[in-house]
Amino acid sequence: KNQVEQSPQSLIILEGKNCTLQCNYTVSPFSNLRWYKQDTGRGPVSLTIMTFSENTKSNGRYTATLDADTKQSSLHITASQLSDSASYICVVVTDSWGKFQFGAGTQVVVTP
Amino acid sequence: ETGVTQSPTHLIKTRGQQVTLRCSSQSGHNTVSWYQQALGQGPQFIFQYYREEENGRGNFPPRFSGLQFPNYSSELNVNALELDDSALYLCASSQGDIDGAFGELFFGEGSRLTVL
Repeated sequence: KNQVEQSPQSLIILEGKNCTLQCNYTVSPFSNLRWYKQDTGRGPVSLTIMTFSENTKSNGRYTATLDADTKQSSLHITASQLSDSASYICVVVTDSWGKFQFGAGTQVVVTP
Repeated sequence: ETGVTQSPTHLIKTRGQQVTLRCSSQSGHNTVSWYQQALGQGPQFIFQYYREEENGRGNFPPRFSGLQFPNYSSELNVNALELDDSALYLCASSQGDIDGAFGELFFGEGSRLTVL
């Protein structure tokens, strides 16, 4: 069973609308949590990194939240653009030497 | 543009063959990690090299092996290829320090391997 679960698996949103992606994890110990954007056929690109003590972090129209007590994170996309169409991957890093646990990703499609 | 380059970009092999994939890390980075990404799935951690030593490994059999060179570039070798090895293989470079903490991962564009 994957220790990092993302939902929904996919979603379609209209350009200009907001959406929220969820990430629940059971990984322990916890070092930090990262969100990546992966365009089709490309390597992932970092959006945010959050440590245990951080509740929220923004990167432009992307805002990530973290609740380390409930082991949940979310990524909120504001005013979506066509270029936001991609897979969004949640990654939990388990220790200082970086044992990475990747979620399966949420496929976002933004339509005109 | 991350400065991480992988080669080849695409290749086709048959079952039982061996393959070597290459990764040039970003300038100044001493850590390289490798990932396997099947279609529609998230990347799976294969292993990581820090200053030429393997210092972390995921749940992959020994036929997946690697090297890191003094210039911190890296190779991933897969022996006795199986059909399930068909995937996108990603490498990422980062800067690690003596305590093991490291920062951002910068991914290459990947090598697409098809095993027939």
